[in-house]
Amino acid sequence: AQSVAQPEDQVNVAEGNPLTVKCTYSVSGNPYLFWYVQYPNRGLQFLLKYITGDNLVKGSYGFEAEFNKSQTSFHLKKPSALVSDSALYFCAVRYISSGSARQLTFGSGTQLTVLP
Amino acid sequence: EPEVTQTPSHQVTQMGQEVILRCVPISNHLYFYWYRQILGQKVEFLVSFYNNEISEKSEIFDDQFSVERPDGSNFTLKIRSTKLEDSAMYFCASSPRTSGEQETQYFGPGTRLLVL
Repeated sequence: AQSVAQPEDQVNVAEGNPLTVKCTYSVSGNPYLFWYVQYPNRGLQFLLKYITGDNLVKGSYGFEAEFNKSQTSFHLKKPSALVSDSALYFCAVRYISSGSARQLTFGSGTQLTVLP
Repeated sequence: EPEVTQTPSHQVTQMGQEVILRCVPISNHLYFYWYRQILGQKVEFLVSFYNNEISEKSEIFDDQFSVERPDGSNFTLKIRSTKLEDSAMYFCASSPRTSGEQETQYFGPGTRLLVL
């Protein structure tokens, strides 16, 4: 069974500092990994994904994430945080099998607060 | 930029009543999904729909639930007889037809359902 863990419910960082939001996954086989962001009263916005290729993927708003197969991690990073980055961040995994299953399994979410 | 839209944004209903949640996926997308998020819990997959039929469903998606694409633009989720535990935010998502981009699911803003 596939699962995703976001070990931190809350991450606080000062504006201008680098930020990291952690995600680890458990899946047999090759995963597709995603990050979504949710602002208050809004839906889930796609940030970036890892499908194959370069382990470092770049996404929207200056975010990037590194796929680490040996550590089964896909941490979200940004070199310099903005107050406007404050939101709820979700990691998600899709297990790639011979079938056509497309469902995403989500982590519990991490509330990022960037302090001015 | 095209977006997934959902109506209504909020719905309050009495236990045992039927509700229909509506979604307009992004034009030319082929795959459609419903997810839900009970307050304080993870986003959970309900069902995926492709080529006018259900392609996957979770254990949550029992006989009380049904989905339909009644015309070329709408995608609906019906709950026949609502229970208190159906209270949640319901998200619709769609993914593109373009090869390689099929993996990215784009989410709507959600419908908050409250069952009294």
